Formats: sequence, structure tokens, C-alpha cells
Amino acid sequence: SQKIEQNSEALNIQEGKTATLTCNYTNYSPAYLQWYRQDPGRGPVFLLLIRENEKEKRKERLKVTFDTTLKQSLFHITASQPADSATYLCALVGGIKAAGNKLTFGGGTRVLVKP
Amino acid sequence: DTAVSQTPKYLVTQMGNDKSIKCEQNLGHDTMYWYKQDSKKFLKIMFSYNNKELIINETVPNRFSPKSPDKAHLNLHINSLELGDSAVYFCASSRIGSGTGASGYTFGSGTRLTVV
Repeated sequence: SQKIEQNSEALNIQEGKTATLTCNYTNYSPAYLQWYRQDPGRGPVFLLLIRENEKEKRKERLKVTFDTTLKQSLFHITASQPADSATYLCALVGGIKAAGNKLTFGGGTRVLVKP
Repeated sequence: DTAVSQTPKYLVTQMGNDKSIKCEQNLGHDTMYWYKQDSKKFLKIMFSYNNKELIINETVPNRFSPKSPDKAHLNLHINSLELGDSAVYFCASSRIGSGTGASGYTFGSGTRLTVV
């Protein structure tokens, strides 16, 4: 069966350090992988996406890697700040030509950045 | 403001009632979705409409009926509400072709439904 797995344990990190989150998937062949941020009581906010032929993507202090051989994406927040505290979700679509393509989300990893 | 807006934000109702949640987007997107987030915070897709046409219908009880009067609106009607329907429901939209995952989704702020 298809699975998208993220570490369900909260990640506690000191301000200024780099937070690294993992997203592993099985039985998918995604053309794209997306990352979202969700704050309590709010909807997910799209952060960035990475294509299967891209190894790395950056946006400001965020960096995403995508390894289709390992079936894994890493999400890095560099120089983390307390305002980065939130739940981070990875998401992907199950193949380009799959009927009724749908964006499926992992369970998310909560990040807490301490001052 | 360009956004996905859904109403109401909170909905408390008794078992057996019928209720509706409304969603509107002014982003010019062609595809809209309903997602359900349960108490364990998993987001699961329920429905997807592309330009008023239903394209995804997950295994959802037929008590849930989406309606899209135009491509900017996607409403969710729920009949005979049950305790297990309690969750946060999110509306979202994306550009056409996003079925490939090529563009991000824009989510509304959610409707917290509590069935008592």
C-alpha cells in the first residue's frame, strides 16, 4: 500500500540551529513533492515543491532535497527562529497519469524552536 | 485579499442534523478540494472538482455531498450528522493541471465541526 511517513515525534531545536525533517514514501512514483506549513487553528500553507529531476531546492532559509532512489525528501530550516515553530507536512501525488490524481499528505512533524 | 474563504469557522450541531459549509476562492483557480483533518491531524482528501466537474470522490459516506455552482465555489453539504463526523474540514484550490502536483494548493482556514 502507498505510504507517506514523517516523524511523528516533535522536533525540539534551539534557535539558530538547523532543523531537519524527513519524509519517506513507499509505492509512489511522484513527479513532484511538496512541503507545507500548518499553524494551530490554521490551514496548511504551501512552502515549496521539488521536481523529481531536481536534487535540491532553496527558498530563503528553507532547503529541500529529493532522492527518488531512497524515496525520501529532507526539509531543512536553517538559522531557525521561534517563529518557525509549526507543523510541517510533506505531500505528493501518486504518479502523473493516475486517474483522479490527488495530493496526499504525510502526518506532519511538529517543530518547536526554543529561544 | 486573494484567498480561499470558508464559512462558518465553527459549527456545533446535534446528531442527525443537516449542515452545509461554504467555500469560495478568488484566485482564478480551476480546481477545488475538500479535505478532512481528524483528531490525529491527518489530512485526507474527500472530493475534488475541476471547473465544476467532480474528478475525485474518495470513499466518503454518501451523506456528504459536494456542490459546485461555478468554478469559484465548492460547498459541502452533510446529511444526518454523526459523532464521527466531528473534525476540521478544509477547502483548497489549485491551478488547472495541478493533478500532477506541479503547483501548490491554497487552503482555507478550516471549519471546525463538532457533532454532539
